[in-house]
Amino acid sequence: EVQLVESGGGLVQPGGSLRLSCAASAFTFSSYNMNWVRQAPGKGLEWVSYISSSSSTVYYADSVKGRFTISRDNAKNSLYLQMTSLRDEDTAVYYCARGAGIAAPGTSQQDVWGQGTTVTVSS
Amino acid sequence: DIQMTQSPSTLSAFVGDRVTITCRASQSISSWLAWYQEKPGKAPKLLIYKASSLESGVPSRFSGSGSGTEFTLTISSLQPDDFATYYCQQYKTYYTFGQGTKLEIK
Repeated sequence: EVQLVESGGGLVQPGGSLRLSCAASAFTFSSYNMNWVRQAPGKGLEWVSYISSSSSTVYYADSVKGRFTISRDNAKNSLYLQMTSLRDEDTAVYYCARGAGIAAPGTSQQDVWGQGTTVTVSS
Repeated sequence: DIQMTQSPSTLSAFVGDRVTITCRASQSISSWLAWYQEKPGKAPKLLIYKASSLESGVPSRFSGSGSGTEFTLTISSLQPDDFATYYCQQYKTYYTFGQGTKLEIK
């Protein structure tokens, strides 16, 4: 079964850092673009970041640009999100999501999602 | 940035009803639009992509239409499992989600 499993969430103080991981299984991870999407408590979905299959292209939402870094290790079938200078408003469930289409040339709909990992930023 | 506006924010309906949710883009996105269903405590589920293409495994009572700036998601006959929150998403330029439409049982 195609699966994405996030980990690394937790409680962190404002200004702190955290690294999220997403482990992929049962598909050729290196052929797919990947994303991070988050959902703050009681709020809607917010796209956070995108990385192409080869890591050659990355995009960030304005709300996290300069603070978050997306990366991947295709040999380990893993996606990462390094989060620094965390703020209260970064509190959310963070999902990794696969961009549909093998070797897609750019952004595409997200067809596989993990169950999410919760990040809480609070003093 | 492309903004996405969904309406209504909340929709109450009976099992068996036909319902339509609307999504408007602040500029043309051609057909680069997806619809997702979200239930509490679960990951979002892709329903429709490229405005009108049904994702594999999604019941045919779900359909999408539109292009440019106006899009709709229609559920032809509501089933108990359909009561959830629905989001549109543009993927022409990065990604933007609509604010969501909560579909409630009347």
